Formats: sequence, C-alpha cells, structure tokens
Amino acid sequence: LAKTTQPISMDSYEGQEVNITCSHNNIATNDYITWYQQFPSQGPRFIIQGYKTKVTNEVASLFIPADRKSSTLSLPRVSLSDTAVYYCLVGDLMDTGRRALTFGSGTRLQVQP
Amino acid sequence: NAGVMQNPRHLVRRRGQEARLRCSPMKGHSHVYWYRQLPEEGLKFMVYLQKENIIDESGMPKERFSAEFPKEGPSILRIQQVVRGDSAAYFCASSRGQGTYEQYFGPGTRLTVT
Repeated sequence: LAKTTQPISMDSYEGQEVNITCSHNNIATNDYITWYQQFPSQGPRFIIQGYKTKVTNEVASLFIPADRKSSTLSLPRVSLSDTAVYYCLVGDLMDTGRRALTFGSGTRLQVQP
Repeated sequence: NAGVMQNPRHLVRRRGQEARLRCSPMKGHSHVYWYRQLPEEGLKFMVYLQKENIIDESGMPKERFSAEFPKEGPSILRIQQVVRGDSAAYFCASSRGQGTYEQYFGPGTRLTVT
C-alpha cells in the first residue's frame, strides 16, 4: 500500500503563497495524486489531481517531481477562508490490482490576518 | 444537479444496536467509496463498490461491518452490534469511474455510540 506522510500543521498569513508537500515513497506506476480540502464538519472537497510534472487550475498548482515520490500543493495568495485541513490521496483502483486508496494524515493550515 | 447525499446526518445508537448509513451518489456516478474519520484524525478508506459488486473491501473491519450498493437505491453501510469505538464520521464519495476520476464527497454521517 502507498504510505503517505504530510506535515501536521502549517501557519501562514493572508496574501502569502503556501506550499504543502506530501511524501508517497511507495507510489505505484498507475497511481494518481489527488488533493482535497476539508472544513470542520464537512466532507472533503476536490482541489486538484495530477500524475506527473505540473498541473494548474483556478485555485491551485500541483508539482510532481520526476520520481513521483512526493508532490507539492501550492496555494497562491491564501486568504482566511483557506484555513482548513488539506489531504493528499494516492492510489488507483484497477480491476486486477485491488490497491486501496490511501489518504495522508492531513495538514492543518491556519491562515492569519 | 444534486451532490452526494448521505443520511442521516447524525445518528445516535446504544451499544449493541445496529447502525445503517445511506449514501446516494451523484447522478451518473456508479462508483461509491466509504471512508471513516475518527475525531481529530484523517480519513481511512473502508470499501469501494460498484452497482451490485464489492470491488475492494480491504479497509473494512472483518466483523460487524458490511456494505452494499444494490441495483436500485442507495449504497448502505451497516454496522452491527455497535461499540463506542465505532463513533466517528462516515463519509461516502462517488465517481463516474475508477482510477483517475474525481471523487465527490457527501456531508458525512456522524455516528455516536452511547
């Protein structure tokens, strides 16, 4: 099983760029990397997904090095409303592979004014 | 287009009772995943189902827990003879397909065992 590790918490200020890294040393060839955001008492919300190199959407960027053993979620110019827990998810369920999806332990981001 | 629906949102059961948690996936989604989140902890994968099939239940406790996704109706996670340690938030997610497809999460069911 892919094992993922993330920093437990991070602090930032409004307007700064925040980079959260997830380590996934045991990632398999077919595994994708997905990041979610979770607010208290809510279900996780999809942020971004990637397989290699760089992916960018309207809310974040995802950087994946060539060896794919880690990934970095980049949030540009955070605001107070970005205070949440961020999870990386690694895994790809195949018909024959039966890999389980593995969430990281989550990084609690606190954005200060 | 309604999102993933879960009910009930809150469920209280006494030790030894049964808990039934329901999940209706998004329209057009035929893949359902169940996760458990203990207080102040991360999400743990439990089971992955397609219509009428359990694809991967490697995260499910071997006893007292079962899941189904019938041809008609919602997916159901059933916990028999609940114990205090079952108290947690149970999240359901759905996707259009496996693998690369995004998972959309429901609001969760918070189970409290007294």
